[in-house]
Amino acid sequence: TQLLEQSPQFLSIQEGENLTVYCNSSSVFSSLQWYRQEPGEGPVLLVTVVTGGEVKKLKRLTFQFGDARKDSSLHITAAQPGDTGLYLCAGPTSHDYKLSFGAGTTVTVRA
Amino acid sequence: EAQVTQNPRYLITVTGKKLTVTCSQNMNHEYMSWYRQDPGLGLRQIYYSMNVEVTDKGDVPEGYKVSRKEKRNFPLILESPSPNQTSLYFCASSPRPEGAVYGYTFGSGTRLTVV
Repeated sequence: TQLLEQSPQFLSIQEGENLTVYCNSSSVFSSLQWYRQEPGEGPVLLVTVVTGGEVKKLKRLTFQFGDARKDSSLHITAAQPGDTGLYLCAGPTSHDYKLSFGAGTTVTVRA
Repeated sequence: EAQVTQNPRYLITVTGKKLTVTCSQNMNHEYMSWYRQDPGLGLRQIYYSMNVEVTDKGDVPEGYKVSRKEKRNFPLILESPSPNQTSLYFCASSPRPEGAVYGYTFGSGTRLTVV
């Protein structure tokens, strides 16, 4: 059983459309991180959200941390083919020495 | 360039033949970790190290060994590989011992096949 549940598992959209990826847990996290992984490469850290209710923007990507610090979302506006990849959320376990990952959402943006 | 370097990128080996996957980082990071990534199971932590000579088990340590004799290197050792260790392996590092809080820098991965 995953500590962090991501949905949807797969997402395929047309260039220019918007999309949202969700990351949920029954546990409270001190922070949550989002990574993007492209085929043949390791995950790359996009953002870390720390405060409940926090919203961070990275160009066309908007990240939100839930008020109760149990969930997070990633919203992409006007998606482009370059946004294609596996999006992973991750959070520290109780003693902060281990990072637990969600199973990931595979996003495909068609030109 | 700040990076985590893994070698080899691809490896095919036979059951029982000892192998080592190397990992090196040039960022003076204190925390290093190994993960394996499998379809449907996601990224699972094998071992981690908070500093030199300090290592601890992750979620799936069986069949693996690690050592941290120097700050920059964290090799993963498979003493007697088996087919169920066929996977994509990633090394990661983080600036502080509380690595999970600060986010990880990942290597490019090692695709291991055990036949």
